[in-house]
Amino acid sequence: DAGVIQSPRHEVTEMGQEVTLRCKLISGHNSLFWYRQTMMRGLELLIYFNNNVPIDDSGMPEDRFSAKMPNASFSTLKIQPSEPRDSAVYFCASSYTDEAFFGQGTRLTVV
Amino acid sequence: GENVEQHPSTLSVQEGDSAVIKCTYSDSASNYFPWYKQELGKGPQLIIDIRSNVGEKKDQRIAVTLNKTAKHFSLHITETQPEDSAVYFCAAIFITGYALNFGKGTSLLVTP
Repeated sequence: DAGVIQSPRHEVTEMGQEVTLRCKLISGHNSLFWYRQTMMRGLELLIYFNNNVPIDDSGMPEDRFSAKMPNASFSTLKIQPSEPRDSAVYFCASSYTDEAFFGQGTRLTVV
Repeated sequence: GENVEQHPSTLSVQEGDSAVIKCTYSDSASNYFPWYKQELGKGPQLIIDIRSNVGEKKDQRIAVTLNKTAKHFSLHITETQPEDSAVYFCAAIFITGYALNFGKGTSLLVTP
């Protein structure tokens, strides 16, 4: 298996634009996590799904952020409209038991 | 929810020395404690983990110890090498399928 695959690896966008981050889970995994990493706040959990169902979205900053799992192997994180303070590295991770496997991340810069 | 504190935030050691990173957690019900290593430009990767029914676990040069009474756990790296330089994160979780709560990370630098 190629592991958790995120795209794009880098994204630069202008303030106010819509941004969509994508994640492909490892085959057979049933939990999906979106994390945001910044120097100030470290690794913050945004939302996680279990069997395609959102279990906890309390970490989603505000209504500008939304996440979906259209099927068992794929997820998107959308930011609309984007703001400079959203600049960070966004990771998705998947798991079947306790160990979470992380993707390489998407570095988002909002100018 | 679970709160994980990690220290130090930065650690510099000479090659061959040992490094110790410590974490505390708040929820006594937590039962799984992994350690992740993050290299520059990459996602975190699991290096070792321990469950609450075990006090210590070793894997070659790395070991983790758990003190449930004090609610703290530590990562020990012996005979450090330059390739050990990275950011290390501890985490705690209560139950399978829930999300990991991470500490803020320790930036380890091993100098030759």
